[in-house]
Parts: sequence; C-alpha cells; structure tokens
Amino acid sequence: ETGVTQSPTHLIKTRGQQVTLRCSSQSGHNTVSWYQQALGQGPQFIFQYYREEENGRGNFPPRFSGLQFPNYSSELNVNALELDDSALYLCASIFSRGSLNTGELFFGEGSRLTVL
Amino acid sequence: QQPVQSPQAVILREGEDAVINCSSSKALYSVHWYRQKHGEAPVFLMILLKGGEQKGHEKISASFNEKKQQSSLYLTASQLSYSGTYFCGTVKLNDMRFGAGTRLTVKP
Repeated sequence: ETGVTQSPTHLIKTRGQQVTLRCSSQSGHNTVSWYQQALGQGPQFIFQYYREEENGRGNFPPRFSGLQFPNYSSELNVNALELDDSALYLCASIFSRGSLNTGELFFGEGSRLTVL
Repeated sequence: QQPVQSPQAVILREGEDAVINCSSSKALYSVHWYRQKHGEAPVFLMILLKGGEQKGHEKISASFNEKKQQSSLYLTASQLSYSGTYFCGTVKLNDMRFGAGTRLTVKP
C-alpha cells in the first residue's frame, strides 16, 4: 500500500483519440511524476510537477501534458494517440524538500492503455 | 541517457546470493533501487546519495561508487519473495532515468 491510486486501471482507445489518466497522491506529497512503461522495459520519465508547476520533463512530445491540483491529485493527458503509446502509465508521488527530487517514489498500480 | 543494468536476468536457488549492477555514462548524484513484481507497481528499496547509503531493506544492501559512476545491489540469502524485476534509477535535477531492469527468479 503506497497510498497512491490511479484510474482507470485499464482502457482501450483508438489511434487519434485523446486520453486523460488520473492519479491521487499521498496527502502532503508536493511532487508527482509520471512514467511510461512498455512491456519488459523500465519506466520512462515523462514529466514531474512540483506545487502545480512542471519542473522536469523527459523526451516526450508536447502532446503529453499534465496538471497537478492543490488536493494532491494530478492528470496525464495524451492527445492524438499513436499505436506506440500503448503502455502502462505510472504515477509516483514524492515528498520533496524544495523543488529538487531527492526522495523515494511511491508508485501507483498504473493505468494500462491499449491503442488500437 | 538511461543507466545500464547487468545482468538482464538471473536465476537463483533459495539461500543463494546475487549482485545486480547499475552503471551510468553521466555523473551520478543519487541512485534509487526499486523492485517490481509482475502486475504490480514498483516498490522502493533504497536511495544512495553522494557520500553513502541512506537506507537498507531486509537482507538487501547496496553500494555507490561515485568515481566509477556505478551502483551495485546485493541480495544475500535470497528468499522466494525476492523474485521480481529490479530497477535502478538515477536522478539529475528532476530527471529520473530508470534502467531496463534485471529479472530475478528465486527457486525453492
């Protein structure tokens, strides 16, 4: 039990559609990061939010965007879905002292997205 | 650039030891280790910061060689519950990069 919940757990979309994935972080965790994990691979960093501002981003195109809300929840939005976007999407909450991430990540169970 | 883990997979008998290595082509500021069981979320094991280990977990320990830009995870007297995929993650500023993982299988 990490205290981090994600929804939906599974979903199927078609190419070109848009998707919103949600994450509820541990209370008090001021930082949330999102990862894409393809089958048999390690999680790939998408971006990180600290106090509702994006403060880190991996090698993902702008059609991957996010929001963080004051109530410790966050969203990952993906526009114009492509077949290669099929993956497990993980969010992780962190308690950060300041804007630099030095803390352990508490992962949710993930949302498995299939793009047909 | 993501860190490189070795080996890719290892099979052990209960009670045997294993070492998983993580190396980076860039300077390491901290190294995270996580274990992920099939169909579950990754679970934190420990963080190593410059200057030494911060936390241990059961019979699992780790070292961090800043000069060689390497970290190693040591699993001693392995138990069936140690089975899973182990990931190292390196952090620079707020960019966390994970290795491809090492699949560990412990057999009775």
